[in-house]
Amino acid sequence: QKEVEQNSGPLSVPEGAIASLNCTYSDRGSQSFFWYRQYSGKSPELIMFIYSNGDKEDGRFTAQLNKASQYVSLLIRDSQPSDSATYLCAALTGANNLFFGTGTRLTVIP
Amino acid sequence: EAQVTQNPRYLITVTGKKLTVTCSQNMNHEYMSWYRQDPGLGLRQIYYSMNVEVTDKGDVPEGYKVSRKEKRNFPLILESPSPNQTSLYFCASWETGEETQYFGPGTRLLVL
Repeated sequence: QKEVEQNSGPLSVPEGAIASLNCTYSDRGSQSFFWYRQYSGKSPELIMFIYSNGDKEDGRFTAQLNKASQYVSLLIRDSQPSDSATYLCAALTGANNLFFGTGTRLTVIP
Repeated sequence: EAQVTQNPRYLITVTGKKLTVTCSQNMNHEYMSWYRQDPGLGLRQIYYSMNVEVTDKGDVPEGYKVSRKEKRNFPLILESPSPNQTSLYFCASWETGEETQYFGPGTRLLVL
């Protein structure tokens, strides 16, 4: 079983819609979770981190964490074409190691 | 400026010719890691280091070696590269309690 799993997509949404990205993790000792955005050939860029159960909002982005279900999600409101990228979910495990999911490719259609 | 540097950024080599990709961070981070990225497979961890002289295998360590003789440096060594090691490689560093990780710019390797 992989440490972090994501639907690989691709996910397509129209401009202005809400994009929903999901992720599950296997290590119950994981404390912190991260969402990265990555453009092709570039380094991952941190969008949000979350470590408490519930929702965390930052602008158009909302991260949700449910530790009982070992589930993390990212909502992007009012999606823009510039949001088109691959989104990577990552977990910092109990051993302080950082594991990534396979990423979900998002396309926002103008 | 906090940064992780990698060199070289691009490399074309031939099968069996030993190579080293360097990684250096200037933030005194304890944790460093190497990842490779292939289409559709996300970032797969090759090796991980928790501190000087402490390293551990990641998900895909075969064909790679690392060393951590100094805190700032974490080179990735391919003793006998093969075409299946053609990939995009990222080095990262982080510290416990910090809310972000730092990535190098990536090294694109082609093994012929």
